[in-house]
Amino acid sequence: DGGITQSPKYLFRKEGQNVTLSCEQNLNHDAMYWYRQDPGQGLRLIYYSQIVNDFQKGDIAEGYSVSREKKESFPLTVTSAQKNPTAFYLCASSRPGTGGYNEQFFGPGTRLTVL
Amino acid sequence: AQSVTQPDIHITVSEGASLELRCNYSYGATPYLFWYVQSPGQGLQLLLKYFSGDTLVQGIKGFEAEFKRSQSSFNLRKPSVHWSDAAEYFCAVDTGTASKLTFGTGTRLQVTL
Repeated sequence: DGGITQSPKYLFRKEGQNVTLSCEQNLNHDAMYWYRQDPGQGLRLIYYSQIVNDFQKGDIAEGYSVSREKKESFPLTVTSAQKNPTAFYLCASSRPGTGGYNEQFFGPGTRLTVL
Repeated sequence: AQSVTQPDIHITVSEGASLELRCNYSYGATPYLFWYVQSPGQGLQLLLKYFSGDTLVQGIKGFEAEFKRSQSSFNLRKPSVHWSDAAEYFCAVDTGTASKLTFGTGTRLQVTL
């Protein structure tokens, strides 16, 4: 079955550590996205990538980094510079359709907790 | 910049009752509009989308939404709610540039039996 996988489902980090969240898709989508979700704030865009080897900052990129070496993969690193990293992280992908619309498909998410 | 407002943070309805979740957007031209649903601890699932044409769109699970340009709204409706519809619902807008979605803050739906 085609879809998006995120791992791990739960992740615990000590303060000062970098951690990497995995996102893989087998939908053959060109674009991929990372969102952060906090209670009462909806989804906020961290980074996005429209093609391999290219990515752009979203609204809250500070303290995060990404890479896009393969079409299928878009890992997110939460660095020690992110002051409040505890949140639910969602990865999504899309393939622009007719007229340029952007239907995004989401993975199941990773819950990151800083201890 | 575009924005999306979901004025209701939390709504409670009885099973079998009708439902309407409100969504207002801010954008100068006709946007692409989406409704997603999220169960606790899960990812988002697309319910329906509007791009052009008929302003009343049908989605999965018996949901529909109506695009009203004059009111900048895209409200989600369901004639008869089921207990399994309890979840959080997000409205989103895509202005067709930069391949990005802007989400509302969500409405949590509780269904009483």
